Amino acid sequence: ETAVFQTPNYHVTQVGNEVSFNCKQTLGHDTMYWYKQDSKKLLKIMFSYNNKQLIVNETVPRRFSPQSSDKAHLNLRIKSVEPEDSAVYLCASSITGASAETLYFGSGTRLTVL
Amino acid sequence: TQTVSQSDAHVTVFEGDSVELRCNYSYGGSIYLSWYIQHHGHGLQFLLKYYSGNPVVQGVNGFEAEFSKSDSSFHLRKASVHWSDSAVYFCAVSAQGGRALIFGTGTTVSVSP
Repeated sequence: ETAVFQTPNYHVTQVGNEVSFNCKQTLGHDTMYWYKQDSKKLLKIMFSYNNKQLIVNETVPRRFSPQSSDKAHLNLRIKSVEPEDSAVYLCASSITGASAETLYFGSGTRLTVL
Repeated sequence: TQTVSQSDAHVTVFEGDSVELRCNYSYGGSIYLSWYIQHHGHGLQFLLKYYSGNPVVQGVNGFEAEFSKSDSSFHLRKASVHWSDSAVYFCAVSAQGGRALIFGTGTTVSVSP
């Protein structure tokens, strides 16, 4: 049963535009994540939020910014997209963010930058 | 820094065959290992994980994995695959006190009828 919801499923845009992706989890978890999955299926952690506090901020370009209104929501904004931003963006959550915890993923948002 | 590698990019098996997917890690301290599955067009789903205790762990849908400290491995196995097992399988590692799961490059499993 899906409990991490991402919108939109797909988004096509042009270079230089701004996009925003939404993620909501109904599991009551404290920690949420954004992963980027490229065309070769490689997964890279981008951001992690624990109770609205940023706890991981990998070396992503500054045009990416996570936005969290509460612990159930973690959105991702990309200001001025580039062609290399084309990817699937996966949102996930876990109970507290501790090392051993299971991640629960959404279905992803596929971004295509023309 | 922990790393994880999956040596097989693609595995093709027939329905009813057994399959083993290899995962090797590199890290000197306490480590958590897990496997996730991703069906086409979907997010990842948890299969199983290991931290300590019995080195053979059972997961969902008949999957199991065996931890080997000497080989630095955590291979995933299934005795009899079904067509619905066609997916990409990711091995993941997290160090104790670490902040995020690090995923391997994935192994695509194709199950033929």
